[in-house]
Amino acid sequence: GAVVSQHPSWVICKSGTSVKIECRSLDFQATTMFWYRQFPKQSLMLMATSNEGSKATYEQGVEKDKFLINHASLTLSTLTVTSAHPEDSSFYICSARPGGRVGGELFFGEGSRLTVL
Amino acid sequence: GEDVEQSLFLSVREGDSSVINCTYTDSSSTYLYWYKQEPGAGLQLLTYIFSNMDMKQDQRLTVLLNKKDKHLSLRIADTQTGDSAIYFCAAHGSSNTGKLIFGQGTTLQVKP
Repeated sequence: GAVVSQHPSWVICKSGTSVKIECRSLDFQATTMFWYRQFPKQSLMLMATSNEGSKATYEQGVEKDKFLINHASLTLSTLTVTSAHPEDSSFYICSARPGGRVGGELFFGEGSRLTVL
Repeated sequence: GEDVEQSLFLSVREGDSSVINCTYTDSSSTYLYWYKQEPGAGLQLLTYIFSNMDMKQDQRLTVLLNKKDKHLSLRIADTQTGDSAIYFCAAHGSSNTGKLIFGQGTTLQVKP
């Protein structure tokens, strides 16, 4: 089946630094990717929809200047957590659907765990 | 917007059947999904059902959809200890977008 890969899987950084997380669709093209955030023992919260070649669409309450999303190609979206603080520590998961279809299987990356000291 | 609700915890004995329930609010959601998450891992799609179906069976998994009541269930037959995980129900946020709205997740504990 289709594969979505995230990198890095784990990252620990100091407060005030920026961290970039990559999401790649390995064997399909994705015009749209989705970024989710998951707090411990909680559900996934959609942060934003990443659109190839255009600006991301952010969900209400998500700071676009804090969480920069770039979808420069049909197989890569990046999430940059700028000036990270301990409250940004979380599990970030991306997802993508082949061919930009609305329905059908949505493939998830393995997730990236961010810890901000 | 779409709201998805699940019970938070279910405990069963190995070999029993598990039934995880989910309700949703947006009747225009064309697909409904069940995902499994093991500790520290990403999400694994278990199965999904198209909204014009009432039931879908895949080996030990049976999904039942009651569109009138906006109720979705996942039945796991002959539950094994390896089935212990968090199970998420998910629906589309609206009929024409690809984003998913997730329930809170049901923690399934399987006792030997």
